[in-house]
Amino acid sequence: AQSVSQHNHHVILSEAASLELGCNYSYGGTVNLFWYVQYPGQHLQLLLKYFSGDPLVKGIKGFEAEFIKSKFSFNLRKPSVQWSDTAEYFCAVNARNTGNQFYFGTGTSLTVIP
Amino acid sequence: ETGVTQTPRHLVMGMTNKKSLKCEQHLGHNAMYWYKQSAKKPLELMFVYNFKEQTENNSVPSRFSPECPNSSHLFLHLHTLQPEDSALYLCASRPLVKPGRDTEAFFGQGTRLTVV
Repeated sequence: AQSVSQHNHHVILSEAASLELGCNYSYGGTVNLFWYVQYPGQHLQLLLKYFSGDPLVKGIKGFEAEFIKSKFSFNLRKPSVQWSDTAEYFCAVNARNTGNQFYFGTGTSLTVIP
Repeated sequence: ETGVTQTPRHLVMGMTNKKSLKCEQHLGHNAMYWYKQSAKKPLELMFVYNFKEQTENNSVPSRFSPECPNSSHLFLHLHTLQPEDSALYLCASRPLVKPGRDTEAFFGQGTRLTVV
């Protein structure tokens, strides 16, 4: 079975600080990787996704993530956060081509202080 | 707006009540999911339907009963729930996986369920 670990449970940053949220997964096969964001009271929205190709993927709102296969990691980054980035961030994985199940981490709550 | 609509948005029910959650999508997706979101826990996959057929049941108690009458609608019937079942219940959908055509899942806003 697949599993996802997000080691940062709650992160507090000042505006303009850089962000990196860790995500590690456990699965022996080929995977698709995702970062979702959930703003207060809103639905889960896709930030970015990795299926194949360039391991550095860019998403919406200036976010990017890097897939490092050897480390089973897919860390999320943003060079300069804004107050509006305050939200819950979830990493997810599913098996390439065959998997209909998405496995999620526990989420990281990000608070950006103006 | 993702195109996945869940109703109701909030639900309070007693432990002896019977209620149903509804999920609807008109995106042409053929896979639909129920997830449970509790604080400090990963999203828990409950059920998966492909083309109206249930393909996954992750050891969910029988007090939760899913129904998928067609590819656009998904229900979660609830009866004799426990207070620990209080959570945000999320519905998601995606096109069915074809080799080389993977996609993300699209989520609804969820139903906040409180069992009293």
